[in-house]
Amino acid sequence: QSALTQPPSASGSPGQSVTISCTGTSSDVGAYNYVSWYHQHPGKAPKLIIYEVSERPSGVPDRFSGSRSGNTASLTVSGLQAEDEADYYCSSYAGSNKWVFGGGTKLTVL
Amino acid sequence: QLQLQESGPGLVRPSETLSLTCTVSGGSVSRSDNFWGWIRQPPGNGLEWIGNMYYSGSTYYNPPLKSRVTISIDTSKNQFSLKLSSVTAADTAVYYCARVSNLAFDFWGQGTLVTVFS
Repeated sequence: QSALTQPPSASGSPGQSVTISCTGTSSDVGAYNYVSWYHQHPGKAPKLIIYEVSERPSGVPDRFSGSRSGNTASLTVSGLQAEDEADYYCSSYAGSNKWVFGGGTKLTVL
Repeated sequence: QLQLQESGPGLVRPSETLSLTCTVSGGSVSRSDNFWGWIRQPPGNGLEWIGNMYYSGSTYYNPPLKSRVTISIDTSKNQFSLKLSSVTAADTAVYYCARVSNLAFDFWGQGTLVTVFS
């Protein structure tokens, strides 16, 4: 399976909202309610922030929200804070016990 | 709180086998609702799923790596392991182990850098 497509970069000012897209196919993003999002600060391991398209793990602020339309999933970060500056990755279950990740988006808080 | 920790050699020679172990604490690798995975990240690049293993021993691998990957579990030590054979420079990466829950990777190890060098 091919990697999911994400924009290489995104940016916003503190307090603003930014949305990152993640485009797959009808065999992964469009087929299953198992899209997840991770953020990764430099030198750190990725951290799960959204699972099952729009669910937030305990402890993740509600500033992070997920959605999906067709074969494209989206992550919206509202009320941007300096600590949100990180790399963001989407992932999707792709059937037959296989997973695929996106190429990552570097979010800059201006 | 579940914690995962990768361990293994940081340097591997080309054509040899990379071997890593993930030690799980705060939970059991043999719980029926858990399964476990390996993900890697080449320097400066994105994440790549390597494979997953169910508590039952069933394994599933990323097709491009399938012929070279083996994931196994040691319930007596509460560990699971990764072996990647015939490595090349392209296998240089930070390797992460993770738990899979709700078909997402919810707990991650800190990662370990493995460099393939001659």
